[in-house]
Amino acid sequence: SQQGEEDPQALSIQEGENATMNCSYKTSINNLQWYRQNSGRGLVHLILIRSNEREKHSGRLRVTLDTSKKSSSLLITASRAADTASYFCATDAPGYSTLTFGKGTMLLVSP
Amino acid sequence: KAGVTQTPRYLIKTRGQQVTLSCSPISGHRSVSWYQQTPGQGLQFLFEYFSETQRNKGNFPGRFSGRQFSNSRSEMNVSTLELGDSALYLCASSSGRQKTQYFGPGTRLLVL
Repeated sequence: SQQGEEDPQALSIQEGENATMNCSYKTSINNLQWYRQNSGRGLVHLILIRSNEREKHSGRLRVTLDTSKKSSSLLITASRAADTASYFCATDAPGYSTLTFGKGTMLLVSP
Repeated sequence: KAGVTQTPRYLIKTRGQQVTLSCSPISGHRSVSWYQQTPGQGLQFLFEYFSETQRNKGNFPGRFSGRQFSNSRSEMNVSTLELGDSALYLCASSSGRQKTQYFGPGTRLLVL
């Protein structure tokens, strides 16, 4: 399986702090995507980074990709209570017709 | 465009019954995937349909089945329900080569 694995499993921070989540995977990829899930609801696509990209920004989100280490990180700057959610990485790999999701990181941002 | 819709949103069944869940993808999306999410197992892929054909299947027993219609709407069916089938069932549609998934709100199934 080339399923992504997020680290840490859970993260608790204060509002205003930065949150960093990591994702590792096993095989080559076309792209890697990050999703957010608020409690008990559907996942929402946040950002996509292609295999030939090293860093990407979207608002308060910064994603890095290191294909040599088969890892990615998601940084949320200046966290807000509304960022409380689970965050999943998903890989698009050659030979697979759909994405493969990791188990997610639960982020709790306290006011 | 309207997002992915799933019906019903909540469902309570008893063991041994069967259930059918419905998903309407975003207009123009031809790929529909189904996932099961539980606290213990996380997000698990069930199957994917593309142009009415099952293109990919996860590691679930034959009690779990699905289909896709010509208008890309999809249904999944679970027969002979077990307590362990209690979960949030998520449907997602996709259109492009990047395979970005657009998820519906899910159907929460409780099996008693």
